Amino acid sequence: NAGVTQTPKFRILKIGQSMTLQCTQDMNHNYMYWYRQDPGMGLKLIYYSVGAGITDKGEVPNGYNVSRSTTEDFPLRLELAAPSQTSVYFCASSNLGQGVGGKAFFGQGTRLTVV
Amino acid sequence: AQSVTQLGSHVSVSEGALVLLRCNYSSSVPPYLFWYVQYPNQGLQLLLKYTTGATLVKGINGFEAEFKKSETSFHLTKPSAHMSDAAEYFCAVSDPGANSKLTFGKGITLSVRP
Repeated sequence: NAGVTQTPKFRILKIGQSMTLQCTQDMNHNYMYWYRQDPGMGLKLIYYSVGAGITDKGEVPNGYNVSRSTTEDFPLRLELAAPSQTSVYFCASSNLGQGVGGKAFFGQGTRLTVV
Repeated sequence: AQSVTQLGSHVSVSEGALVLLRCNYSSSVPPYLFWYVQYPNQGLQLLLKYTTGATLVKGINGFEAEFKKSETSFHLTKPSAHMSDAAEYFCAVSDPGANSKLTFGKGITLSVRP
């Protein structure tokens, strides 16, 4: 059972570089989310999607972009990396919206360092 | 807008002792409440959730939580801690509604002493 798969697991970027964090799920979930986790700060929502072709901003979207061309994939793009984007990034999916009690399944995370 | 308060950042208990992790929320409407657990170097997984109905909710690994509207609380308990319970625990709240999102607390790290 693959669930939610994130790649890469670790990455070091230089300031100003770009990269895409990949996320794919095999559970046919409509809802997908990107969070960042900083020490002592919990998880903050970056972007989310309620289905293919539909995305919206979360709490901390600045510096990021997303797309959702298929149900399975929800990549997160960093265009001009900054040290403030050093964090652990989690992708999650759920069959129902969290506002109707949907259970979120999380990937194992991508640890990104910007130097 | 909803918010979640998890007081303190670290709780340490002895193996076999009661585990109590506190969570208070703020919401303008009756919320949905969740506890997630994160083991080292892993993603989060759902422990339990409250949506409607019975206010005492049982989850996986012997954990339970009680929704107390009058106290705006959703504390997590386990009668007897096990070494494998050492992890970070997050309380989260969501307003009801199909496209509502979770708001997470800052998390509490649970350590279990032998």
